[in-house]
Amino acid sequence: GAGVSQSPRYKVTKRGQDVALRCDPISGHVSLYWYRQALGQGPEFLTYFNYEAQQDKSGLPNDRFSAERPEGSISTLTIQRTEQRDSAMYRCASSLVLGGPSNQPQHFGDGTRLSIL
Amino acid sequence: AQTVTQSQPEMSVQEAETVTLSCTYDTSESNYYLFWYKQPPSRQMILVIRQEAYKQQNATENRFSVNFQKAAKSFSLKISDSQLGDTAMYFCASFNAGGTSYGKLTFGQGTILTVHP
Repeated sequence: GAGVSQSPRYKVTKRGQDVALRCDPISGHVSLYWYRQALGQGPEFLTYFNYEAQQDKSGLPNDRFSAERPEGSISTLTIQRTEQRDSAMYRCASSLVLGGPSNQPQHFGDGTRLSIL
Repeated sequence: AQTVTQSQPEMSVQEAETVTLSCTYDTSESNYYLFWYKQPPSRQMILVIRQEAYKQQNATENRFSVNFQKAAKSFSLKISDSQLGDTAMYFCASFNAGGTSYGKLTFGQGTILTVHP
């Protein structure tokens, strides 16, 4: 597609439920990133993939959070047993290549706003 | 570890005037990139401008330019001829092209810019 697509745009769920957030990167983009953004703050890195390989998951807050990108395209961020503190905007970004002499910037999706009741 | 600091929580400017947003960063890497992203009320995340650390020339994109002071680790954004549509939150971000932070953007806290008619 023309841009990074995330779904759903909004998700409201009760505490304790599992949620799955989807990201469809720009076609052909190798790298895919997940960030979490609290209201009024900058995004914080969660994890990223090159193709289907998860390269760094150091930003995932705890083991309730996981991500996958099984075919090197669409990615899913899953939060199990959600808690109110998980409420935030979750953003996905993609880039054509990682690193290199003409570093490609990360292009962001519009995010999924997650609210845990 | 990387850090990015934006010391101006809010700024305002009159339409058609010039405004400068400040950003300082800290990194131990020699190869890195710097970005300014714009987040309007619609909550999109839009790339405004980027700078490669190895380039001495300041980047320019139409009305947007940067003042990159590598020794001082400063990366300010100048917006000329401000327009109402420039009203947004602006985030400064750094990206290390090597080291343990490779692959992730680190964002500052953001500066809310309001352009008044």
